[in-house]
Amino acid sequence: QKEVEQDPGPLSVPEGAIVSLNCTYSNSAFQYFMWYRQYSRKGPELLMYTYSSGNKEDGRFTAQVDKSSKYISLFIRDSQPSDSATYLCAMSALRGNTGKLIFGQGTTLQVKP
Amino acid sequence: DTGVSQNPRHKITKRGQNVTFRCDPISEHNRLYWYRQTLGQGPEFLTYFQNEAQLEKSRLLSDRFSAERPKGSFSTLEIQRTEQGDSAMYLCASSTRDSINSPLHFGNGTRLTVT
Repeated sequence: QKEVEQDPGPLSVPEGAIVSLNCTYSNSAFQYFMWYRQYSRKGPELLMYTYSSGNKEDGRFTAQVDKSSKYISLFIRDSQPSDSATYLCAMSALRGNTGKLIFGQGTTLQVKP
Repeated sequence: DTGVSQNPRHKITKRGQNVTFRCDPISEHNRLYWYRQTLGQGPEFLTYFQNEAQLEKSRLLSDRFSAERPKGSFSTLEIQRTEQGDSAMYLCASSTRDSINSPLHFGNGTRLTVT
């Protein structure tokens, strides 16, 4: 079993829809959670990061962390065709090499005009 | 902030050849990371440097792989005697010491194809 599980999709939604992306994890040492967006043939681009449970909002994006359930989510409101990309969740422990991220497989999202 | 720069963008090589990739991190970042990403998967950690010191290496990094960061600036990743299984995107990322406030910033990677 992988430390981080993420449904690879693909997920196809109409423009303007609310998108929900999720990851589960098994390692309770993970305390630092990130979402990256990756366009084809590009490197991952950081969208959101948090090191606590609860919600964090940034524009159309909301990240949610539930440590008790070992479950994290990313919500995208009013989705746009430009949001079409692969979304990667990533996490790490707070101690030691905090840049040693464990990534999910990535969910491919397509937003249709 | 010019971002993390990686060269070349794409490298095609024959099995058994050696290849070297270069990464130039964001100038004020003292931590540098190498990750590998295969098709349809998330990136996997390979190794990281704090300044010029290589502090951790993944079990994924076989003896054929070597990374350096002379003078704590740019870094190189060399793969000797390449195998078809080495075909992947090799990503470099950098951050400042306090990664909580400075998450990883990735370059656009070097895509390696071993024929």
